[in-house]
Parts: sequence; structure tokens; C-alpha cells
Amino acid sequence: QLQLQESGPGLVKPSETLSLTCSVSDGSISSSGYYWGWIRQPPGKGLEWIGSIYYSESTYYNPSLKSRVTISVDTSKNQFSLKLNSVTAADTAVYYCARHFSYSSSCRLCVDPWGQGTLVTVSS
Amino acid sequence: DIQMTQSPPSLSASLGDRVTITCRASQSISTYLSWYQQKPGKAPKLLIYAASSLQSGVPSRFSGTGSGTDFTLTISSLQPEDFATYYCQQSYSIPITFGQGTRLEIK
Repeated sequence: QLQLQESGPGLVKPSETLSLTCSVSDGSISSSGYYWGWIRQPPGKGLEWIGSIYYSESTYYNPSLKSRVTISVDTSKNQFSLKLNSVTAADTAVYYCARHFSYSSSCRLCVDPWGQGTLVTVSS
Repeated sequence: DIQMTQSPPSLSASLGDRVTITCRASQSISTYLSWYQQKPGKAPKLLIYAASSLQSGVPSRFSGTGSGTDFTLTISSLQPEDFATYYCQQSYSIPITFGQGTRLEIK
């Protein structure tokens, strides 16, 4: 069963870059028909989609974050990554990596499975 | 962006109750609607996709209906493990957006 695991610093200073990696196991990140993406959840709040990537070709970002976000894939390591620059306290959240089904799937762009999540705090 | 509005924000119910959660989209999204369950400290879990299709392994007491702008998630007979927060999600257009959540509590 496909599993995803986030890794990266739990504390980032304001104005710096948040960098997270998602390791995929028991499945290939090169499998066709899937996107790989990130979703975040501020403490006690709801879910916000950050963006996703299809192979290493197409990326899709939330317009509210697009100017600060980069998602990339490393197929050799079966990983994908998130970079969010110029962070502020408003970026403090649990960050989840997840697999998204493709546009052509009956489960179009639904999200399954999710990683366990990692809390990133932005503070000096 | 398509706004997703869930109601009620919170709900108290008893074991064995039938409960319904509503999700409304700010524009028509056909049946591109999924439901997720999230327990404290855990990642969300996909329950329903395409408005009414049950994800593999999800108990049949969960069901979904709707199309266009109005959708419902129904739990036919509440079990102890069902007390959680539920989110709807539209996948009609980018950016993917979620409802604000409905917290289901034990009465």
C-alpha cells in the first residue's frame, strides 16, 4: 500500500524559505495517472491546497501562493518537494504531502493517500 | 476560486443516530465532489468521491448524494469511530478548495 512521509525542518525563521520533502514508498512516483501535491492546515483551522505536480512536466499552484511556491519531483529518489519562500507567521501549519488522482480519473483530483503531516512553525 | 460552504459547522449526535452534513458550492461543480474524515492529530481520509462513490474500505453506512451546487454526506447509524471532522472538497477546477469542516461530536 502506497505510503508517503514528509520530512524537513519544524522551525523556519520569518522571510526565509520553507523546504519539505515527501518520500513515497511501496509505489512509484512515476506511475501514470497521478499527481503529487501538498496541502496545509493551520492549527485549529481548515485545509488549504498548495499545489501539485504531474511527472516533472506540469505544475499547478494555488493562485494565493503561486508567487512563493515551487513543487518539484526527483524520480531517482522517488520523492517530491515543496519550497515556500518569504514565509511569515501565517504560513505556520501542518503540511501534508499527498497523491492526487488525475483529471481523467473517476476520482478526479481527489486526494488519497495522505502523509501523516509535519508541523512547520514560522518564528524567530 | 470556487467557495465551498458546509453546514452545520458543528453537530452533536448520539450513537446510532442518522446524521447529514451539507456542502454547497459557489458555482456548479457537476459531481466533482469528495468527502474526507479527519480525526484529531491525523491526516484526512477519503470517504466518498464523485459525489456518491464509496472509497474502497469505507463502511457502507457512509453515503453521498448531490450534483451541481448542493451535496450531502449521510452517516446512517453513528458508530464511536465516526466522531471526527468532515470536509468536502471540489475538484471541478483549480485551485482545489475545501469546505471549512463540520465537527461531529458525541451528545
